[in-house]
Amino acid sequence: DAEITQSPRHKITETGRQVTLACHQTWNHNNMFWYRQDLGHGLRLIHYSYGVQDTNKGEVSDGYSVSRSNTEDLPLTLESAASSQTSVYFCASSENTGELFFGEGSRLTVL
Amino acid sequence: QKEVEQNSGPLSVPEGAIASLNCTYSDRGSQSFFWYRQYSGKSPELIMFIYSNGDKEDGRFTAQLNKASQYVSLLIRDSQPSDSATYLCAVTTSGTYKYIFGTGTRLKVLA
Repeated sequence: DAEITQSPRHKITETGRQVTLACHQTWNHNNMFWYRQDLGHGLRLIHYSYGVQDTNKGEVSDGYSVSRSNTEDLPLTLESAASSQTSVYFCASSENTGELFFGEGSRLTVL
Repeated sequence: QKEVEQNSGPLSVPEGAIASLNCTYSDRGSQSFFWYRQYSGKSPELIMFIYSNGDKEDGRFTAQLNKASQYVSLLIRDSQPSDSATYLCAVTTSGTYKYIFGTGTRLKVLA
């Protein structure tokens, strides 16, 4: 069965360190997204991609970057982690404007 | 004004009652509308989607869309304690494949 997987599921890091969250999907979807979820804010879009070599900023992109070198993967990098980036991160994929499929989430704590 | 707005709740209903969840959106060109359910600590899962004005029914769930008034609602009939969760409204913005989420409404079904 097709799926979308995230790793690591839990990560604790220190302020200033670089962190990369992996996202891998086997749906063969062109569209991939990274969201963060915080209490009171719902799901906020960080970055998204419509295909290989395409990346776009979402509403809360500062301090984050993504790259898309193939269809399956969209890693999210925090260049210099800050305490404000403590959150739950969800990767998702879709085809056109159909159902958005989510990974299981990655809980990141920045100390 | 936020792009997608929901009452955060909690909305409490007795078991067997109808739960009514509402969502308004600001972009008149929005094309696709989704309701996701999210249990605590889990990723969102699709309940229903709707593209056209009117009602769409699926089992105990009915989605209602009114593009003129820019709102979409979800009715849950015969509510069960297992329906207790946060319900997220999502909208795809015009001309893009971006999914913008509301902050979610927490539903509590009381046994």
